[in-house]
Amino acid sequence: AQSVTQPDIHITVSEGASLELRCNYSYGATPYLFWYVQSPGQGLQLLLKYFSGDTLVQGIKGFEAEFKRSQSSFNLRKPSVHWSDAAEYFCAVGAGNTDKLIFGTGTRLQVFP
Amino acid sequence: DAGITQSPRHKVTETGTPVTLRCHQTENHRYMYWYRQDPGHGLRLIHYSYGVKDTDKGEVSDGYSVSRSKTEDFLLTLESATSSQTSVYFCAISEGTEQYFGPGTRLTVT
Repeated sequence: AQSVTQPDIHITVSEGASLELRCNYSYGATPYLFWYVQSPGQGLQLLLKYFSGDTLVQGIKGFEAEFKRSQSSFNLRKPSVHWSDAAEYFCAVGAGNTDKLIFGTGTRLQVFP
Repeated sequence: DAGITQSPRHKVTETGTPVTLRCHQTENHRYMYWYRQDPGHGLRLIHYSYGVKDTDKGEVSDGYSVSRSKTEDFLLTLESATSSQTSVYFCAISEGTEQYFGPGTRLTVT
C-alpha cells in the first residue's frame, strides 16, 4: 500500500538558517510527489511537484525538493528561512489515475528571529 | 487562487444531528474530494467524485455520504454526527494531477 512518512513532527530553526524537511514514500510505480504548505487557519497551498524528468524541482517561495528514487525520498529544502515560512508542511504522493493523494502527517516549522 | 468555496466555515452541532457541508467550485474541474484533517493524521480522504453522480469511497468513509448533482457542487453529509467527527474538513479539486484546496470547514460535534 502507498504511504508517506514525515519523520519530523516539529522543527525549529533560526531565521536565515537553511532548512531541510524529510519525506519518505512507499509506492509501487513512479510516484507523483507533492509538497504543500498550510499557514494557521488556512487551506493547503501547493509549493512544488515532481512528475518526471529532472529530479531537482523548484517551487514557489524559494523552496526546492529533490527526488531520490534509491532512497524513496523527496526532501524539501530552502537555503535561508524567513519568519513568514513558519507553517505546517505536508508531503503527498499521488496514487492511481483518479488523482487521489496520500498525505504524510505533516511537519510543523517554527522560525525564531 | 482556485475558485473553491466551502460553507459553512464554522459549525457547532450536537451528537446525533445531520450535518451537510458544501463545496462549490467555479473551475469546472472534473475531480472533487473531501478530506478531514486531524492532529497527528495529516489529511485523510473521505470520499471523492470523478464526475456528476460519480463518487467513490476514500480511506475514512464510514459515517459519511456524498452527492454531486452538478459539476460545481460536492456535498458531504454526516447522517448522524458523532464526537469523533469533530475535525476540519477540506474540499479539493483537480483536473490534472494537482489538487487545489478550499479554505476548510471547522466542525465541532458536542
